[in-house]
Amino acid sequence: DVMLTQSPLSLPVTLGQPASFSCRSSQSLVHSDGNTYLTWFQQRPGQSPRRLIYKVSSRDSGVPDRFSGSGSGSDFTLKISRVEAEDVAVYYCMQGTHWPPITFGQGTRLEIK
Amino acid sequence: EVQLVESGGALVQPGRSLRLSCTGSGFTFGESPMSWVRQAPGKGLEWVGFIRTEAYGGTPDYAASVKGRFTISRDDSKSIAYLQMDSLKIEDTAMYYCTKSWGHWGPGTLVTVSS
Repeated sequence: DVMLTQSPLSLPVTLGQPASFSCRSSQSLVHSDGNTYLTWFQQRPGQSPRRLIYKVSSRDSGVPDRFSGSGSGSDFTLKISRVEAEDVAVYYCMQGTHWPPITFGQGTRLEIK
Repeated sequence: EVQLVESGGALVQPGRSLRLSCTGSGFTFGESPMSWVRQAPGKGLEWVGFIRTEAYGGTPDYAASVKGRFTISRDDSKSIAYLQMDSLKIEDTAMYYCTKSWGHWGPGTLVTVSS
């Protein structure tokens, strides 16, 4: 199974400052079709997960452009350019390249400093 | 507007069974593969399983932790995906979500396995 390791597990950030989340895979996530199926989700307290980014860097409709995804192979990053109060949440990466099983990272909790 | 609503969660004793439903609306249900994901209290997300569309055989896949105990099925005429959970264990206690292609999620239904 592919293991996804997220870091840090907790990320205190000052409002208006940038935030960066890392997700590293135990193997390359490049699919034989040429795509890389690495997805980022946001889960606010008490809510269902919400997809932010798919295929490494494609932003979902309605997601603010302060969110961006990047990376390749087995090393991926989600960035928030300027953190706002509504961004307090746990952020998960997920891989859909080598499945079953589909696997998630353990999550990074964003808090306001 | 795409909507997914899970139902069927309950408090159940270990070893018993429960069936969850995921009802979809606002999209062509039969054209959508569906997944189930669970989240134990205070923990992260765990993929439970997936069912393909009938066009791709309607076959399911499962996480190792539930294989042989859980069964995913679908009734496209009713726009419902099911998660049949047998031989429930305490560690199956979680919020269970269904998702359509990862872009749409239901609010979840809580399953508590306890004696």
